[in-house]
Amino acid sequence: AQSVTQPDIHITVSEGASLELRCNYSYGATPYLFWYVQSPGQGLQLLLKYFSGDTLVQGIKGFEAEFKRSQSSFNLRKPSVHWSDAAEYFCAVGARQAGTALIFGKGTTLSVSS
Amino acid sequence: EPEVTQTPSHQVTQMGQEVILRCVPISNHLYFYWYRQILGQKVEFLVSFYNNEISEKSEIFDDQFSVERPDGSNFTLKIRSTKLEDSAMYFCASSENRGAGNTIYFGEGSWLTVV
Repeated sequence: AQSVTQPDIHITVSEGASLELRCNYSYGATPYLFWYVQSPGQGLQLLLKYFSGDTLVQGIKGFEAEFKRSQSSFNLRKPSVHWSDAAEYFCAVGARQAGTALIFGKGTTLSVSS
Repeated sequence: EPEVTQTPSHQVTQMGQEVILRCVPISNHLYFYWYRQILGQKVEFLVSFYNNEISEKSEIFDDQFSVERPDGSNFTLKIRSTKLEDSAMYFCASSENRGAGNTIYFGEGSWLTVV
């Protein structure tokens, strides 16, 4: 079955500390992988995506993610977290064919402490 | 930067009433989607739409739901006879057809409350 697992429901990180949000997927075909962020009362904003090529992808707001096929993982990282990064983060997987649905994980809520 | 826009941002409706949620996708995009997020739960796919017809739908998208592209810019989701469990944030999204490639851009959502 196709699925996305985000094992951490809630993470709290001190401002300035590093961050890693975990994402594991199960997908029959070669996956396209995405991370979206949702701030309170806002929509889903695309942080970054992986289609092919370099397995370390850079996104907006200083985020990066690494695709590890052997581990079926696509973890999101940021070297130094800012208070404005507090939000909910969703990992998603989709097929290469345009127009197909994305499958989302349940999300990880990030809190940032001062 | 082009964006997907949705109206209304928030709607409260009586159970049993019909609701229409509206979306303006990014102008050069060809695929359109509706997703739903019930409070505290994951984002779920409802339906995708291409070339004036549904291309894929989930089991959630039953006869209560319908989608339409009434003109060249709008994309609507109609929910007939709303139920309490339809209360959710509904996201419209669109993607550009470039063959291999499936980046989906989401709107800010329409929060539907059924009372």
